[in-house]
Amino acid sequence: DQQVKQNSPSLSVQEGRISILNCDYTNSMFDYFLWYKKYPAEGPTFLISISSIKDKNEDGRFTVFLNKSAKHLSLHIVPSQPGDSAVYFCAASESGGGADGLTFGKGTHLIIQP
Amino acid sequence: IAGITQAPTSQILAAGRRMTLRCTQDMRHNAMYWYRQDLGLGLRLIHYSNTAGTTGKGEVPDGYSVSRANTDDFPLTLASAVPSQTSVYFCASSRQQNTEAFFGQGTRLTVV
Repeated sequence: DQQVKQNSPSLSVQEGRISILNCDYTNSMFDYFLWYKKYPAEGPTFLISISSIKDKNEDGRFTVFLNKSAKHLSLHIVPSQPGDSAVYFCAASESGGGADGLTFGKGTHLIIQP
Repeated sequence: IAGITQAPTSQILAAGRRMTLRCTQDMRHNAMYWYRQDLGLGLRLIHYSNTAGTTGKGEVPDGYSVSRANTDDFPLTLASAVPSQTSVYFCASSRQQNTEAFFGQGTRLTVV
């Protein structure tokens, strides 16, 4: 049973437009959510996070929105740039020390078209 | 600052052989993790350690063991490798358990 779901394996967006990546979760104990970016042959790198006490967190071109009632979060990238082409993983955790480690989705491959 | 260093970068291993993947961090992070990444399955937690001297099982621990003798090192051992353990293995660490984790560059392991 997958607790973190990224239902779009891939997404193609034109350069300069907004990229929206979606993530759903089923475990109501999750209270800390993260997005990671991964290039081929490299380890994942942390992008942005959000605690369940907030519904939005912004860092430059990246904004994460959290809808707790829907158990849904999304990552907005605007404007999208060619260097944003990568696989994006959504992750979640119980920050209070429940289940250990981060639980990841399967990833969404974002392709930015010139 | 190196962050997290994994070795080897890649390895081809005969089935049945024993293999230890090395992981060292220089950030003095309390928690460390081992994940495997497989196509279509994302990143799955193998084992974790919330502090030196303690370890725990993740989602897919069978066939793997870990130890955490000190803060910096967290080796992953395959006692008798099988082809289904062909994967890319990532070590990660975080200041506290279940918070933002930093990843190594990965070890690509092929078991034949």
